[in-house]
Amino acid sequence: AQTVTQSQPEMSVQEAETVTLSCTYDTSESNYYLFWYKQPPSRQMILVIRQEAYKQQNATENRFSVNFQKAAKSFSLKISDSQLGDTAMYFCAFMKPGGSNYKLTFGKGTLLTVNP
Amino acid sequence: DVKVTQSSRYLVKRTGEKVFLECVQDMDHENMFWYRQDPGLGLRLIYFSYDVKMKEKGDIPEGYSVSREKKERFSLILESASTNQTSMYLCASRTGVSGRGLFFGSGTQLSVL
Repeated sequence: AQTVTQSQPEMSVQEAETVTLSCTYDTSESNYYLFWYKQPPSRQMILVIRQEAYKQQNATENRFSVNFQKAAKSFSLKISDSQLGDTAMYFCAFMKPGGSNYKLTFGKGTLLTVNP
Repeated sequence: DVKVTQSSRYLVKRTGEKVFLECVQDMDHENMFWYRQDPGLGLRLIYFSYDVKMKEKGDIPEGYSVSREKKERFSLILESASTNQTSMYLCASRTGVSGRGLFFGSGTQLSVL
């Protein structure tokens, strides 16, 4: 079974600075998908970024980017120019491909606080 | 935009009651999921459904059942609620296309007293 580990339960950063959230995973699959989700105080889970394992290029969405190290099974999220609205719980998730019914396996989350 | 609607944001029930949590999605998604979220434990999958009337157990199905009679609706049932089922429940849906992520509802905070 796949496992996803987020080793930082809580982090904080000053507004406008850069912060990196860590995620590692364990799988025997060679092809899969990785996700970062954000859950602000409103509780609405929002997809931040998605990475396909067979693509070597790291995914980027505006201020959010990932550092995907396939051999190390590492998938960290970098948030540049942090904003107060980035304060949220962040979850890393893994999904193996194929079929239509595959589920996501989530890490336990990292609570990020952006301070003014 | 995809909309996943959970019928209640907060719910308070008594031990032993039968509880229904309802979820509706408006994007004709094939797959629907129920997760439970607890502090320090992240999201854990209870059940999922890949088609109407089809369901599979997730990682923690004990004490729960589900129903999917129509494609857009997925219900989570607690046959006899217990205090250890006090939690945040998140419904999600996704298209059947491989590699696509989940769209979530805003959650139901259930308290069982």
